Amino acid sequence: GQQLNQSPQSMFIQEGEDVSMNCTSSSIFNTWLWYKQDPGEGPVLLIALYKAGELTSNGRLTAQFGITRKDSFLNISASIPSDVGIYFCAGDGQNFVFGPGTRLSVLP
Amino acid sequence: DSGVTQTPKHLITATGQRVTLRCSPRSGDLSVYWYQQSLDQGLQFLIQYYNGEERAKGNILERFSAQQFPDLHSELNLSSLELGDSALYFCASSVAFTGTDYGYTFGSGTRLTVV
Repeated sequence: GQQLNQSPQSMFIQEGEDVSMNCTSSSIFNTWLWYKQDPGEGPVLLIALYKAGELTSNGRLTAQFGITRKDSFLNISASIPSDVGIYFCAGDGQNFVFGPGTRLSVLP
Repeated sequence: DSGVTQTPKHLITATGQRVTLRCSPRSGDLSVYWYQQSLDQGLQFLIQYYNGEERAKGNILERFSAQQFPDLHSELNLSSLELGDSALYFCASSVAFTGTDYGYTFGSGTRLTVV
């Protein structure tokens, strides 16, 4: 079945640094979503991408839908402590397929 | 508050028992999805209902079952529980059948601990 890979698996950064993470698939997707999950909470939608090459921002977050439609990238600028959490990508198949997540830790 | 309500928030039960998790979707959403998240794992799709009918099945064990009622709330039944069933169980809802246009809105989950 369709599977997504996310890298890095985890990352530790200093407050104020920029963050980059990506999501890849062997399958083509028509929609990419990025979610953030805080500890003990459900995932919350950050950004939705609907078109190959699309670049969309949400505050300090920017995500891009890869031209090949097999990947997507999420960047966070000037990280702050509340950015801590797990970031999931999801691509549409019969239902959305979720990646394993990138766990972000921000050091003060 | 996402608008998706899950109860109970926490559940502790013994092996071999049966439990029922409940989900009320966001107002206007017809699709309900159930996901399982084990410790430090990703989200594993279990099952989807749309307007009362089962639409898609994922990696759902035979010991698990679900249904969606006429008022659109859904229940996930877990029976003959094993230690490995301990996990966070999330419900999500969407307006459309596929969820493509709007993605999913997740509830805050039910944490099940089997002892």
